Amino acid sequence: EPEVTQTPSHQVTQMGQEVILRCVPISNHLYFYWYRQILGQKVEFLVSFYNNEISEKSEIFDDQFSVERPDGSNFTLKIRSTKLEDSAMYFCASTNLGNTIYFGEGSWLTVV
Amino acid sequence: DAKTTQPPSMDCAEGRAANLPCNHSTISGNEYVYWYRQIHSQGPQYIIHGLKNNETNEMASLIITEDRKSSTLILPHATLRDTAVYYCIVATTDKLIFGTGTRLQVFP
Repeated sequence: EPEVTQTPSHQVTQMGQEVILRCVPISNHLYFYWYRQILGQKVEFLVSFYNNEISEKSEIFDDQFSVERPDGSNFTLKIRSTKLEDSAMYFCASTNLGNTIYFGEGSWLTVV
Repeated sequence: DAKTTQPPSMDCAEGRAANLPCNHSTISGNEYVYWYRQIHSQGPQYIIHGLKNNETNEMASLIITEDRKSSTLILPHATLRDTAVYYCIVATTDKLIFGTGTRLQVFP
């Protein structure tokens, strides 16, 4: 069974620090997404990719986030100057539309 | 943007069928409907998906109305381990539109 993997599973960081989260999608998938979910709240869209190009970004994305694909396979989500309210689970997903969407197990970020 | 709405919570007796509704009235013709569930804030777990036709697998059945504006996830014989938050998701070409989720509580 293929899987999407995310690292780290948990991270604690001080307010104002930069954080990098990593995701390895399924290798032949063309669609890729980052979401976050503050504990007990709704799932919040961050950014999507199609075929290595950003497809859509949320309103908050450009303020604080950037995404790279440094080696053509892994994705990194960088959060600049973290705030307390960035404490959340960040999860990625990949798919070829019409097929199963594979979600990672998420990276829990706690900003203190 | 497509929008999905779900009731915030439902209860179901163990062994009975759980029917979870979702409205997606602005869905487009080529957008799939997916159902996932989340237990204890883990990553979403796949249940089932469909486009137009009703679908069934070993976990559940998915009933999609003819106009595709709503769907129902059916867990035929709910168990205590099915207690979770269930998300209806519409997959557009740009993003996955999550519903607000239904917290299903299965009781003995």
